[in-house]
Amino acid sequence: LAKTTQPISMDSYEGQEVNITCSHNNIATNDYITWYQQFPSQGPRFIIQGYKTKVTNEVASLFIPADRKSSTLSLPRVSLSDTAVYYCLVGDPFSGNTPLVFGKGTRLSVIA
Amino acid sequence: ETGVTQSPTHLIKTRGQQVTLRCSSQSGHNTVSWYQQALGQGPQFIFQYYREEENGRGNFPPRFSGLQFPNYSSELNVNALELDDSALYLCASSPGGLAYNEQFFGPGTRLTVL
Repeated sequence: LAKTTQPISMDSYEGQEVNITCSHNNIATNDYITWYQQFPSQGPRFIIQGYKTKVTNEVASLFIPADRKSSTLSLPRVSLSDTAVYYCLVGDPFSGNTPLVFGKGTRLSVIA
Repeated sequence: ETGVTQSPTHLIKTRGQQVTLRCSSQSGHNTVSWYQQALGQGPQFIFQYYREEENGRGNFPPRFSGLQFPNYSSELNVNALELDDSALYLCASSPGGLAYNEQFFGPGTRLTVL
């Protein structure tokens, strides 16, 4: 299973763009990169998933360089409600028995 | 469409007791996974059920067991509770047996073992 490394915490002011980088040096050919968001006392929520280059949805963008050994989750113009823990995971979405492996995540604090 | 629900919300037990946690999956989802999340840690995979069969298990002892019913709801049973079992227990459902497809998590059950 690929291991991921993320910063433990980050602070940002409201309205700024936040970029959270995740390292996954041992990512396998079939692995995708997936990000989840978790608010206190709630279950994680899927944000975005990608394989290479760039993926964008209404919540975030995900940038993946050609070597795929890292990825960056970009949150545009954060607000106080974006304060949460963000988890980066890698795994094969087409492999039935591969469980989600969560690390400790990145605790993002948005300040007014 | 109803999301994933879990019951109870909170639970207090004493060491050595047994506990059953319940999860109702999102409509149309046939796969349920259970996770344990200790304070300050990420969720840890316990096991997954796909169409009523266990479809993968994490590094948890046999006193953690589960069931999935024909309506795809699920139970997590923990026997001989230990203090370290105190955690948030999360249930997640998905429409297929593939873990890295989007999973929908419930709000969790907070278990305290005294």
